[in-house]
Order: sequence, then structure tokens, then C-alpha cells
Amino acid sequence: AQSVTQLGSHVSVSEGALVLLRCNYSSSVPPYLFWYVQYPNQGLQLLLKYTTGATLVKGINGFEAEFKKSETSFHLTKPSAHMSDAAEYFCAVSGATGTASKLTFGTGTRLQVTL
Amino acid sequence: DSGVTQTPKHLITATGQRVTLRCSPRSGDLSVYWYQQSLDQGLQFLIQYYNGEERAKGNILERFSAQQFPDLHSELNLSSLELGDSALYFCASSALGQGTYEQYFGPGTRLTVT
Repeated sequence: AQSVTQLGSHVSVSEGALVLLRCNYSSSVPPYLFWYVQYPNQGLQLLLKYTTGATLVKGINGFEAEFKKSETSFHLTKPSAHMSDAAEYFCAVSGATGTASKLTFGTGTRLQVTL
Repeated sequence: DSGVTQTPKHLITATGQRVTLRCSPRSGDLSVYWYQQSLDQGLQFLIQYYNGEERAKGNILERFSAQQFPDLHSELNLSSLELGDSALYFCASSALGQGTYEQYFGPGTRLTVT
């Protein structure tokens, strides 16, 4: 079974400050890891993904995440927060087997950006 | 815009009724997924179809069923609705089996059961 744990249901940062959203995963097989963002009353938008290869992955809107196998972590960062980053962020893990797949999501972290 | 479309956007119905939610995947994607998002359960995987066949099943109630048609669109049928079925229902699609694993989500259908 696979699972993800997101530490902190709410994170508040000042505009221009570093954003750090934490995600730890549990997987018995090499995981595929994702971060999604959900703006109010909208669907989920893919921010970035880790499947294989480079452990530091860059996504949209200046976000990046580093896959650390030794720490079973996949934390999301952005050097400088912008007001438009305020949203809910979900970490997800997938273990695809052939043509069978599903995403298991964390409980989400609501990011608040203040002036 | 992810390229995944869902209809309707909103649905209000009464307990005991049956509804059908529709999803069209991104062009070329063979795999379709359904998820439920609610305040108490979070984002839960319901079911996956690949090229018309069921491939993975999650915490989907027996009152719920889905199918994927030859043109690859999918429908999620919810019957004998209860107040607790009120939630956002998302469809996602992916090019699984073609070397990628990420899923692209539609805008969702908000179901309110009164």
C-alpha cells in the first residue's frame, strides 16, 4: 500500500518569503510522486512530477521539489511567494502496474500568502 | 485548461435519486479515473478505466458504477443518493501505458444531495 503524509494543514508566509510545503511518502515500490495545486472552485492542476531520473524536479510557477529516498520525502519549495500562490496544495503518490494506476493523495496544505 | 471536460458543473438532487456524471478525457488519453473530494474524506480514488475496461478500483460504493465507452468518454452513475454523497467529483485522464504517469484533472462536478 502507498500513502503520503503532508505535515501542516495550513501554512502562512509573507509575500516574497520562502515557501516550504512538506510531504513524506510510504511505498513498497519505487514511487511516482506528484504535487497538484487547487485554486478555489477549480480542479487540480499538476505542478510537477517525479518518476525517474533527476531527483530535483522543476515545475510551473517557479515551484520545485526534491525527491529524497533516504528521507522518504518530496517537499515542495518556492524561493519567493507571490499572492497568486495562495491555494491548496496536494502531494500524491502513484504506483502504476501495467495499465492499472491510481493516485493516493495527502490531506492537503492550504497556503496563505500575506502582505 | 487541462483538456478534460466534465458535465454538468453543478447538480442538485434529492435523496434516493440517481444521477449520471459525464467525462471526456484529453485527446489521445486511454485511461480515465474518477475521484471524490469531500471535507471529511479528502480526495479519494474511486475507479479507473483503460480503453474501455476496468483496471483499478478504490473505495467505490456498490451504489456507484462507471463505464468507459468506445469513444473513450466515461460516465459515473450514482444511485440511491444519500446526503453523505454530496461532494466534488473529479474525472482525470492520463496517457498511461504510453510512458507517462501523471493525471490531468477536469474542473469537477459539484453534487449536492438535499
